[in-house]
Amino acid sequence: AQSVAQPEDQVNVAEGNPLTVKCTYSVSGNPYLFWYVQYPNRGLQFLLKYITGDNLVKGSYGFEAEFNKSQTSFHLKKPSALVSDSALYFCAVSRPVTGTASKLTFGTGTRLQVTL
Amino acid sequence: DAGVIQSPRHEVTEMGQEVTLRCKPISGHDYLFWYRQTMMRGLELLIYFNNNVPIDDSGMPEDRFSAKMPNASFSTLKIQPSEPRDSAVYFCASSFNRYEQFFGPGTRLTVL
Repeated sequence: AQSVAQPEDQVNVAEGNPLTVKCTYSVSGNPYLFWYVQYPNRGLQFLLKYITGDNLVKGSYGFEAEFNKSQTSFHLKKPSALVSDSALYFCAVSRPVTGTASKLTFGTGTRLQVTL
Repeated sequence: DAGVIQSPRHEVTEMGQEVTLRCKPISGHDYLFWYRQTMMRGLELLIYFNNNVPIDDSGMPEDRFSAKMPNASFSTLKIQPSEPRDSAVYFCASSFNRYEQFFGPGTRLTVL
């Protein structure tokens, strides 16, 4: 079985400050890791993914995430937060299965609130 | 591209009625997913299709739920009979590879 934990229901940060949204995972074998963002009354939007290679992954809107295999973590980061980054962020994990889609398991989500 | 299209955006119905949710995936995407989102259970995968064939329906709650994909550009999720505990936002997503899924805007279902 695969699972994702997002330990913080909400993260508050001031605009211009760095932000981190935490994610840890559990999966057998090598993980595929993802971050999605959900704005109010919208579907989820893909931000970035880690499949293999460099542990630091860069994605949309200036976000990046660092894969840490020893800590089974994939924290989302941004050097300077914007008010417009306020949204619900989901971490997801899957594992490679030949010939089929990666079945994603999502975390419970972390609400990011960026204030002026 | 218009993205994944879902209809209706909102549905209010009474317990016992049949509900049909519709999805048009992005053209060229081989995979289609149905998810349900609630405050209590978060985001749950209900079923997914590959090339119009259901691959994994282990997340479908019970026999009241059924999903079809008669062609590459259309899928339905049906609930019959509906119950208040089915109230949720239902998302359809499609994918052209095994990694990135593109979500529709969702259908907010309220069963009274």
